[in-house]
Amino acid sequence: ETGVTQTPRHLVMGMTNKKSLKCEQHLGHNAMYWYKQSAKKPLELMFVYNFKEQTENNSVPSRFSPECPNSSHLFLHLHTLQPEDSALYLCASSQPKGQANYGYTFGSGTRLTVV
Amino acid sequence: AQSVTQLGSHVSVSEGALVLLRCNYSSSVPPYLFWYVQYPNQGLQLLLKYTSAATLVKGINGFEAEFKKSETSFHLTKPSAHMSDAAEYFCAVTANAGNNRKLIWGLGTSLAVNP
Repeated sequence: ETGVTQTPRHLVMGMTNKKSLKCEQHLGHNAMYWYKQSAKKPLELMFVYNFKEQTENNSVPSRFSPECPNSSHLFLHLHTLQPEDSALYLCASSQPKGQANYGYTFGSGTRLTVV
Repeated sequence: AQSVTQLGSHVSVSEGALVLLRCNYSSSVPPYLFWYVQYPNQGLQLLLKYTSAATLVKGINGFEAEFKKSETSFHLTKPSAHMSDAAEYFCAVTANAGNNRKLIWGLGTSLAVNP
């Protein structure tokens, strides 16, 4: 148990489907992140939420839509994805963004396959 | 701005041998440095971090890393490899001051441990 729980662990979806990824943490952290991990590429930071407010969107296509209803929960809504969106999607949390020395706690990820 | 280079995308050692995973960084301000480990089908787990205190940092599972400013390096070592150390290892850097505390990641080094 890492303290950050992601569901589902695996997801296969068609290009016309709509699905959502869920992330939950009860570590008292106030910053939450979505990362995309693809083979042979650096980890790509997608979105950052600090105290429930989105503070970063790193040019992510609009077919990915994040939602952060409170400091403990983070969602990534997916629609009309492309095969190149297949990857491991990782959620992480940390102390407020300005306190980077604490490091991040990651979930186990959702392995997404777009067919 | 910061950057990270991990030398060697694949490292193979024998069980009981020394593990050395290389990380060099570039940073225009004093850095914080991190090593994370990712086991198969898992998220990333913090191994150790350098946050401007002692230059020799000890982490979990017998790993340690030494911050060498003159060499801009933060190599990860373990005296004796165990089969359970087989995983992907990521080095990351961030600034220790200022508003831009984004974590910059290396591409990762896959460690194989042979019996």
